[in-house]
Amino acid sequence: AQSVTQPDIHITVSEGASLELRCNYSYGATPYLFWYVQSPGQGLQLLLKYFSGDTLVQGIKGFEAEFKRSQSSFNLRKPSVHWSDAAEYFCAVAPFGNEKLTFGTGTRLTIIP
Amino acid sequence: EADIYQTPRYLVIGTGKKITLECSQTMGHDKMYWYQQDPGMELHLIHYSYGVNSTEKGDLSSESTVSRIRTEHFPLTLESARPSHTSQYLCASSDPSRGETQYFGPGTRLLVL
Repeated sequence: AQSVTQPDIHITVSEGASLELRCNYSYGATPYLFWYVQSPGQGLQLLLKYFSGDTLVQGIKGFEAEFKRSQSSFNLRKPSVHWSDAAEYFCAVAPFGNEKLTFGTGTRLTIIP
Repeated sequence: EADIYQTPRYLVIGTGKKITLECSQTMGHDKMYWYQQDPGMELHLIHYSYGVNSTEKGDLSSESTVSRIRTEHFPLTLESARPSHTSQYLCASSDPSRGETQYFGPGTRLLVL
């Protein structure tokens, strides 16, 4: 069965600093990969997704993610965070050609002034 | 992105009551999903539907039931609410033109006393 690991439960960064959130997956083939963000009391918003092709994908709000097949990773990055980026971030995977998502446990991001 | 609507946003109810959580989408997506999310935890799929008159149980066992009589509507029902049902319930639909990428509603926070 596929699984998703987000090793960092909680990350605190200063406003303006760079950010990297880690995501590792376990699956026999390259799955579809997603990053979602959830603000308090809200649903999930899609930040970006990877299906195939260029391994560096750009998303909304200045986020990007890089797929590394050799490391089974799909880490999310942002060069300079803003206070509004404080939220919970979820990595998710779906088998190729299958829409059923498996989510990681999430990483809570706190921004300090 | 899909427009996904969920009502109510918040619900506090006593044990034993019957409740229905509403979910509607306006994009004509065939596939819809219900997830359960406990505070600070990942999302777990509890129900999904591939179209009208199609419903399936997800990975996490749930005492709730769903129906899909119309494409745009996917309600979730608890016949007799219990405190163990306290959670957040998120509805999603997927876009076949975007690799079945899932788009989420704002969620319903349920508290059973």
